[in-house]
Amino acid sequence: GAVVSQHPSRVICKSGTSVKIECRSLDFQATTMFWYRQFPKQSLMLMATSNEGSKATYEQGVEKDKFLINHASLTLSTLTVTSAHPEDSSFYICSAWAPQTPQETQYFGPGTRLLVL
Amino acid sequence: RKEVEQDPGPFNVPEGATVAFNCTYSNSASQSFFWYRQDCRKEPKLLMSVYSSGNEDGRFTAQLNRASQYISLLIRDSKLSDSATYLCVASDSWGKLQFGAGTQVVVTP
Repeated sequence: GAVVSQHPSRVICKSGTSVKIECRSLDFQATTMFWYRQFPKQSLMLMATSNEGSKATYEQGVEKDKFLINHASLTLSTLTVTSAHPEDSSFYICSAWAPQTPQETQYFGPGTRLLVL
Repeated sequence: RKEVEQDPGPFNVPEGATVAFNCTYSNSASQSFFWYRQDCRKEPKLLMSVYSSGNEDGRFTAQLNRASQYISLLIRDSKLSDSATYLCVASDSWGKLQFGAGTQVVVTP
């Protein structure tokens, strides 16, 4: 199956700093990538949909100026958490979908654990 | 109200036994449905799609009831490796996935 990587796998940072998370599709071109957040014992919540070459579409309640998404190529999307605070500590997961794969098959990255002190 | 609701469990299942659980969804316009499996501190992985006619994949059987808006998953001959959280997922016509919070299954020796 298709492979999606995320980097870093975990990050610890001080409050107020910015953190960039990369999501890469390794063996296919992903026209659409999704960014999710998951708090302990809760469901994955979609934050935004990222389309290559255009602005991301954010879900209601997600601040676009705080969670900057860039999808500059068909294999890379980045999520930057700006001025991170302890409440931003969470498990961030990306997924990728490409037209040549069945729509229902979103391939998930391994996730990034963010801890803001 | 959550769009996809699941019993969080845990369902404690003796090895070799059968376990079944379901979820309900609120958006009647949902197009596709899936079960994902998520191991502790890992990403979700697609287990199987769910169809109205019911579908089976080895020891796993999934069923969709559109009239009642619920989806079920049955696991036969449970293995220790089946211990995980099972996520019920509904997809709208745009491919956006709505995840349930998951049902935890613990298979014991």
